[in-house]
Amino acid sequence: KAGVTQTPRYLIKTRGQQVTLSCSPISGHRSVSWYQQTPGQGLQFLFEYFSETQRNKGNFPGRFSGRQFSNSRSEMNVSTLELGDSALYLCASSFGGGNTEAFFGQGTRLTVV
Amino acid sequence: GQQLNQSPQSMFIQEGEDVSMNCTSSSIFNTWLWYKQDPGEGPVLLIALYKAGELTSNGRLTAQFGITRKDSFLNISASIPSDVGIYFCAGQLKGSNYKLTFGKGTLLTVNP
Repeated sequence: KAGVTQTPRYLIKTRGQQVTLSCSPISGHRSVSWYQQTPGQGLQFLFEYFSETQRNKGNFPGRFSGRQFSNSRSEMNVSTLELGDSALYLCASSFGGGNTEAFFGQGTRLTVV
Repeated sequence: GQQLNQSPQSMFIQEGEDVSMNCTSSSIFNTWLWYKQDPGEGPVLLIALYKAGELTSNGRLTAQFGITRKDSFLNISASIPSDVGIYFCAGQLKGSNYKLTFGKGTLLTVNP
């Protein structure tokens, strides 16, 4: 059974640009969550999607957005990139509902220069 | 936002020793999860706990969901070099659906 797949693994962008990251969940999982990981702040929750609907959102500015498609694949977008957006972005999938066992992908390492 | 206090921040031990780490909070959690993360990789789920007082093992790992629902611990017995990594606790707060709150992590180093 394939795990959570995130693409790309690495990205380098310049300030002001925008970026789109992709996440394919484990087959059968309908919930996808996104997290930002930095050395200073640790793992911070961005948002969670289930059946194409955002159910929960963390405390990030509106430059961070996401969506989920009918096949449960998800994308997150960051517009007007800032240096502080450099981080490892992790996607996690779960069955959803009451099951919170979340399985993570390898992450996308975003560097903003 | 809500914080989980995870301790210790780091541990340096000899191969074969037992290890214990814990997470505490002032809030009640419905679920506790323990993850291990290797450099450059995503966290890997080790153990999931759903009931207060629950004690669950996964090989040399044992974790417990605190009776008060405000804490959890993870024990690793007879450590080996491949146990090296960062261990995270994560919890789902009561009333906070579909969102996990993570501790800051415990960096474990095992000296062969």
